[in-house]
Amino acid sequence: GEDVEQSLFLSVREGDSSVINCTYTDSSSTYLYWYKQEPGAGLQLLTYIFSNMDMKQDQRLTVLLNKKDKHLSLRIADTQTGDSAIYFCAGEIYNQGGKLIFGQGTELSVKP
Amino acid sequence: DAGVIQSPRHEVTEMGQEVTLRCKPISGHNSLFWYRQTMMRGLELLIYFNNNVPIDDSGMPEDRFSAKMPNASFSTLKIQPSEPRDSAVYFCASSFGRAEEKLFFGSGTQLSVL
Repeated sequence: GEDVEQSLFLSVREGDSSVINCTYTDSSSTYLYWYKQEPGAGLQLLTYIFSNMDMKQDQRLTVLLNKKDKHLSLRIADTQTGDSAIYFCAGEIYNQGGKLIFGQGTELSVKP
Repeated sequence: DAGVIQSPRHEVTEMGQEVTLRCKPISGHNSLFWYRQTMMRGLELLIYFNNNVPIDDSGMPEDRFSAKMPNASFSTLKIQPSEPRDSAVYFCASSFGRAEEKLFFGSGTQLSVL
């Protein structure tokens, strides 16, 4: 089955760029997603990328997909203290009714 | 729409008691998911429904856990009897087909079993 791996922690300075990485195993994933979880809250969909794309940009967020290496990354430009949260990547299992498999989450800490 | 609504927000109970968690998905969404989040195991999918029918319950830990979806606007997750190792945050999420509508999460129920 699908397995999704992420590094657990990332610490950056305010104003720097953050890059959060993710690897996945199931090459049939049709979409790949990034979610953000703030303390005490549920996960919130940030952005997604279709598997036939290699890049998607949405304001300060850039998603890069290397399908050959099964590697997904999320770049946050000009990182702010409000970006401090846990970020999850997730892969969608083909033809299973929208079932997503999540990574362990990367805790991003932004220092002023 | 108010989003996915879960209740209660917090539940503290004693070992052996029955616990019922509730979820109201976003109106019009046809899939509903129950996840459990712990420090040790991260986010685990317990069960999901499509058009009110359970599709995959392979993540349900054991027979003490059961889930129902009697109609498109309501689902329950029941633990009977509860055990301390069931302590976790339980999330309900709903979706409808398209990528931009996957997944919308509720705020979760923080369950503590003493």
